Amino acid sequence: AQSVAQPEDQVNVAEGNPLTVKCTYSVSGNPYLFWYVQYPNRGLQFLLKYITGDNLVKGSYGFEAEFNKSQTSFHLKKPSALVSDSALYFCAVRDQRNYGGSQGNLIFGKGTKLSVKP
Amino acid sequence: EAGVAQSPRYKIIEKRQSVAFWCNPISGHATLYWYQQILGQGPKLLIQFQNNGVVDDSQLPKDRFSAERLKGVDSTLKIQPAKLEDSAVYLCASSFRGPSPEAFFGQGTRLTVV
Repeated sequence: AQSVAQPEDQVNVAEGNPLTVKCTYSVSGNPYLFWYVQYPNRGLQFLLKYITGDNLVKGSYGFEAEFNKSQTSFHLKKPSALVSDSALYFCAVRDQRNYGGSQGNLIFGKGTKLSVKP
Repeated sequence: EAGVAQSPRYKIIEKRQSVAFWCNPISGHATLYWYQQILGQGPKLLIQFQNNGVVDDSQLPKDRFSAERLKGVDSTLKIQPAKLEDSAVYLCASSFRGPSPEAFFGQGTRLTVV
């Protein structure tokens, strides 16, 4: 079964420090991986995705993610956290059962709450 | 570019009543998804449309939930009758066809069943 795991319910960092939000995945073929952010009472906003190519993917708001095939991980990172980054972060993997794998729905992890303190 | 529009934003109903949610995807997006997000969990797919055809409804509780996408544009999701455990945020998302496109989400409808 395809899935993603976010092992941390909450991550706390001080403003200006680097942050990492962890994600591991399980898929039967090549993984298509995504990160989304959710602010209170809002829908999910797309941050970045990995399809193929460079293992380091750059996305919105200064975020980046590192794809590691041997560790089946796709951790979200930012060199210097801002208080405004405080939100709920979701990792997702594409369901590859339909359309040859590229058009299926997204399977989400349970989310990690990021708290950035001044 | 206009985003995914959903209405209503909030809805409170009594159990056993019916409710309907509406979604207007981004123009030109062939794929439309309905997700259910229970508090403290990640979104879970209810149904996926490609144009006006159903691609995946394996997790849709078909005894009470129904969805349609007439003319391959707008979509409605209905619950009849509602149960207490249906209290959740219902998210609509859409995407274009391409190499593993990202999905764009609406703001969601928060349903409370009392």
